[in-house]
Amino acid sequence: AIQLTQSPSSLSASVGDRVTITCRASQGISSALAWYQQKPGKPPNLLIYDASTLERGVPSRFSGSGSGTDFTLTISSLQPEDFASYFCQHFHNFPAITFGQGTRLEI
Amino acid sequence: EVQLLESGGGLEQPGGSLRLSCAASIFTYSDYVMSWVRQAPGKGLEWVSSISGSGDSTYYADSVKGRFTISRDNSQKTLYLQMNGLRAEDTAVYHCAAYYYDSSAVDYWGQGALVTVSS
Repeated sequence: AIQLTQSPSSLSASVGDRVTITCRASQGISSALAWYQQKPGKPPNLLIYDASTLERGVPSRFSGSGSGTDFTLTISSLQPEDFASYFCQHFHNFPAITFGQGTRLEI
Repeated sequence: EVQLLESGGGLEQPGGSLRLSCAASIFTYSDYVMSWVRQAPGKGLEWVSSISGSGDSTYYADSVKGRFTISRDNSQKTLYLQMNGLRAEDTAVYHCAAYYYDSSAVDYWGQGALVTVSS
């Protein structure tokens, strides 16, 4: 089964910082990767799909890149509302869902 | 606006049973694969089970196979998860999720229902 490994598992940053989170797949998955933001007590919120396509309504400071096994989520200039957890996701053996273990972004 | 609303969570003893429901306000409900995804306290997301749009095909994570049963009623636009033989490690918030067959991401999420397994 494909595994998604995120790094780092937690990250401390400040408002205005540029932040990059990495997701590595255990085998090639082309561009079939999504990124979500999750805040406490809320369901995940889709940010990026197909590795680099910004979901409608998501601020342009979020961007995604990568293909094959290595992917990144970048926040160009952190805003106070961006402090949350972030997960990568892939449909392996659809409809089963594989998630990365998450990255907690803290102030 | 699409909404998914879970119900049926609560406190149950180990070995007990609970049934979760997820009511959907999706116009073309039967076009969507429906799934359950759970999140243990302070942990990441874990896929639990999925069901095809017609309900003919079901899929389970190894951790729940043989104990949980997923089903759907397309006439009522409702998804179910029958959970038997509950264990402490099943304690989590259970989200229902909806996506098309050609989606590359989950299209819709429910707010979640908390299931606590404890004596």
